[in-house]
Amino acid sequence: QQQVKQSPQSLIVQKGGISIINCAYENTAFDYFPWYQQFPGKGPALLIAIRPDVSEKKEGRFTISFNKSAKQFSLHIMDSQPGDSATYFCAASTPNLHINTDKLIFGTGTRLQVFP
Amino acid sequence: DADVTQTPRNRITKTGKRIMLECSQTKGHDRMYWYRQDPGLGLRLIYYSFDVKDINKGEISDGYSVSRQAQAKFSLSLESAIPNQTALYFCATSDPPSATQHFGDGTRLSIL
Repeated sequence: QQQVKQSPQSLIVQKGGISIINCAYENTAFDYFPWYQQFPGKGPALLIAIRPDVSEKKEGRFTISFNKSAKQFSLHIMDSQPGDSATYFCAASTPNLHINTDKLIFGTGTRLQVFP
Repeated sequence: DADVTQTPRNRITKTGKRIMLECSQTKGHDRMYWYRQDPGLGLRLIYYSFDVKDINKGEISDGYSVSRQAQAKFSLSLESAIPNQTALYFCATSDPPSATQHFGDGTRLSIL
């Protein structure tokens, strides 16, 4: 049962272009939406995250857009660089300090290649 | 030194063998997780532990077991390995109130 659907599976972008990766979720109880970046031979690392009380969050060239009514969120990478070439995972969870339900549900990943 | 260390980094073994993957952390986090990564399937949760006395099954626990030996150590065992358990395995930690998970660099496991 795929609770977080991610697309596309792979993406090729030219240097300087915009990379866009989309995710859709089903569980309306989710209230934390992170994106993780993974380089070959390394574990995923948190890139940027958003909570549903805002529609957009920007950190440098990376922006999350969030549409609560559509249950969708996306990652935009502006001015994409070869160093951005990696696999990107969206995720969702319902963090709760007091109940053992604090689990991340990951999307299936997008392999981004940025060519010079 | 890495905050979350996984050993071994690579392992090739045969069907039916018992295998243990180890994870240790220096972050002082209570919560630890084991994930499996397969192409096209993303990261799937195998087991998680919110403290030394707490062990919970994840999405795909069949064929796996875990042991939380201490706050800093969380091991994953395959009692009788089978080829479809060939995958990349990751350990992660987190510490509330932050929901951020911190991953090790993975163990690439091949079962022949």
